[in-house]
Amino acid sequence: DTAVSQTPKYLVTQMGNDKSIKCEQNLGHDTMYWYKQDSKKFLKIMFSYNNKELIINETVPNRFSPKSPDKAHLNLHINSLELGDSAVYFCASSQDPGGTYNEQFFGPGTRLTVL
Amino acid sequence: DAKTTQPPSMDCAEGRAANLPCNHSTISGNEYVYWYRQIHSQGPQYIIHGLKNNETNEMASLIITEDRKSSTLILPHATLRDTAVYYCIVRPRSNDYKLSFGAGTTVTVRA
Repeated sequence: DTAVSQTPKYLVTQMGNDKSIKCEQNLGHDTMYWYKQDSKKFLKIMFSYNNKELIINETVPNRFSPKSPDKAHLNLHINSLELGDSAVYFCASSQDPGGTYNEQFFGPGTRLTVL
Repeated sequence: DAKTTQPPSMDCAEGRAANLPCNHSTISGNEYVYWYRQIHSQGPQYIIHGLKNNETNEMASLIITEDRKSSTLILPHATLRDTAVYYCIVRPRSNDYKLSFGAGTTVTVRA
C-alpha cells in the first residue's frame, strides 16, 4: 500500500491557468507538508498543516493555497500559474512533528511544467 | 537552524562501506542530526537521526563526534541502489515542523 500518494504525477499546463495537486496519506499522521524542488534540485518547504491547521507558510505567493479537508489529505491549489512555478512538488507527512522523532514520509512527487 | 556542510559528490565501490561526512559546527544542544536521501526521480527517504550517541539501524550507522560539530553517515555495504543524493539536516527538538534541505552529497556507487 502506498503511504503517501500524489496525483497527478505529471502536470503540463499553460501560463495563467489554475491547477490543483492532490495528496493523501494512509499512515494516520497528524501533520502534512508541501515541498517544492526547483530545477537546481533545492528542496524547500512551502506549507505544513497539523490536524487541518496551517502551521507553516514559508513566504509562498498567495497564488498558492493549500487546503486540508481532513487529516489524511492536503491539496495544493495554484492560481494564475507562472513559468517559475515549474518544479517538482512533494507532499510529506509525519506523526510527531515537534517531538524527538520526526521522520517525514514523502510522496513520489508531481512534476509541474508551465508553458 | 544550524547550517550543514557536505561534500558535493563522492564515489563508492559496490560492496564497500560508504562514509559520508557532514559538518555542523554551529549546532546547538537541542538540535538533532537527521539524514535523508533522494534517489533519482523519487521523494526523499528518511535514513537515520541522532542527538549525541551513535545510532544504527537496518539502513545505516550514524557517528556523531563528541563535540557534536560533525557527523558521519556510514552505509556498511553500498549497493548500486544506494546511488542517491544524501542530505544531512540539523533540526531543533522543539516544535519545528520543517526540514531544511541543503545541496547534499551526490553519492555514486560503482560496480
